[in-house]
Amino acid sequence: GAGVSQTPSNKVTEKGKYVELRCDPISGHTALYWYRQSLGQGPEFLIYFQGTGAADDSGLPNDRFFAVRPEGSVSTLKIQRTERGDSAVYLCASSLGPGQPQHFGDGTRLSIL
Amino acid sequence: DAKTTQPNSMESNEEEPVHLPCNHSTISGTDYIHWYRQLPSQGPEYVIHGLTSNVNNRMASLAIAEDRKSSTLILHRATLRDAAVYYCILRDEGQNFVFGPGTRLSVLP
Repeated sequence: GAGVSQTPSNKVTEKGKYVELRCDPISGHTALYWYRQSLGQGPEFLIYFQGTGAADDSGLPNDRFFAVRPEGSVSTLKIQRTERGDSAVYLCASSLGPGQPQHFGDGTRLSIL
Repeated sequence: DAKTTQPNSMESNEEEPVHLPCNHSTISGTDYIHWYRQLPSQGPEYVIHGLTSNVNNRMASLAIAEDRKSSTLILHRATLRDAAVYYCILRDEGQNFVFGPGTRLSVLP
């Protein structure tokens, strides 16, 4: 069946611009996670949704980062006033519920020039 | 901070078994040990997880020490497609995965 889909696969933009990254989870998965991965490092937790609500956003680095999941399915990660340090691969994962194995997408590679 | 410690890299020959170690000395009594792997240019992929007993599935086996302060992921016959970064993961107080840098496994033909 279809896995977790992330779009775009690559995004290049200038410093100061606004970006949106989209995640389509596996159908029926109520839990959705966003991670950020820098080169040579493991993924770093950003935010976790259970249904429509953000159950834990403690990993968001600052208030320029925001994520939504309005209908409990697709999620969008939004980054305002991008900085060069935001360059990374942003990964989305979904699972049947908290504590279940997570299924990851292939990520969006974000490059801030 | 990662709650696990793994070697940075390991090498194996094709069709030989591979034992990937992980130390987690601060593990709590209810923490599951999770293993994921990440192939180049892909997101991480679930491999196996366990609590106390050794676990087996079609991908690998997980051997957990009796004191639970360490575990070993066992690939019974490495193939070239097993070349990846392997992550041993515990959850933090908020029940979120904490990834370290993992072990980069190279498989030699």
